[in-house]
Amino acid sequence: EAGVTQFPSHSVIEKGQTVTLRCDPISGHDNLYWYRRVMGKEIKFLLHFVKESKQDESGMPNNRFLAERTGGTYSTLKVQPAELEDSGVYFCASSQDNQGPGREKLFFGSGTQLSVL
Amino acid sequence: GQQVMQIPQYQHVQEGEDFTTYCNSSTTLSNIQWYKQRPGGHPVFLIQLVKSGEVKKQKRLTFQFGEAKKNSSLHITATQTTDVGTYFCAIHKGEYGNKLVFGAGTILRVKS
Repeated sequence: EAGVTQFPSHSVIEKGQTVTLRCDPISGHDNLYWYRRVMGKEIKFLLHFVKESKQDESGMPNNRFLAERTGGTYSTLKVQPAELEDSGVYFCASSQDNQGPGREKLFFGSGTQLSVL
Repeated sequence: GQQVMQIPQYQHVQEGEDFTTYCNSSTTLSNIQWYKQRPGGHPVFLIQLVKSGEVKKQKRLTFQFGEAKKNSSLHITATQTTDVGTYFCAIHKGEYGNKLVFGAGTILRVKS
């Protein structure tokens, strides 16, 4: 079974440019999450999809970030325009809601290392 | 802000020594999860604790959930170089309880 895949693995862009990250969750996983880890610090929650619906986007930093999950399959996270402080590793994770809310274990992708210069 | 405190931030041990990381919450938790992230890697689920006072073991790793379900610990006996990485605790928050919030993590380095 394929795991969570993310593309690209690395992205280097200049301030003001646009970058789109993609995540393909494990097949059959309705829950999809985006997280960000900056400078080796804590892993911060960005948002959560259940199928194609955004259930919680309380962690999105500002309106320069836009996440979509059309059709409830893969998801994209677009940053436009990118700022220096957006640099970090963006992780996608998915889970299968078969243990009840608040008990799912997350499967993480390898992440996208974003560097904004 | 952070809703679970994790300490220490960093620990450097000699191979063979033990290691412990702790997580504390001001509120009672329904459960707590632990993840490990190797350098350059991604977080990998280790275990979930649900019951008050629960203790689970995975080889040299021992996980505990406090009686009041407000704290948890991960203890590694006789560390090996393969144990290096960052260990995170994580708790569920949010209206639907399925927003996973991570502690700051404890970075473990092992000297051989």
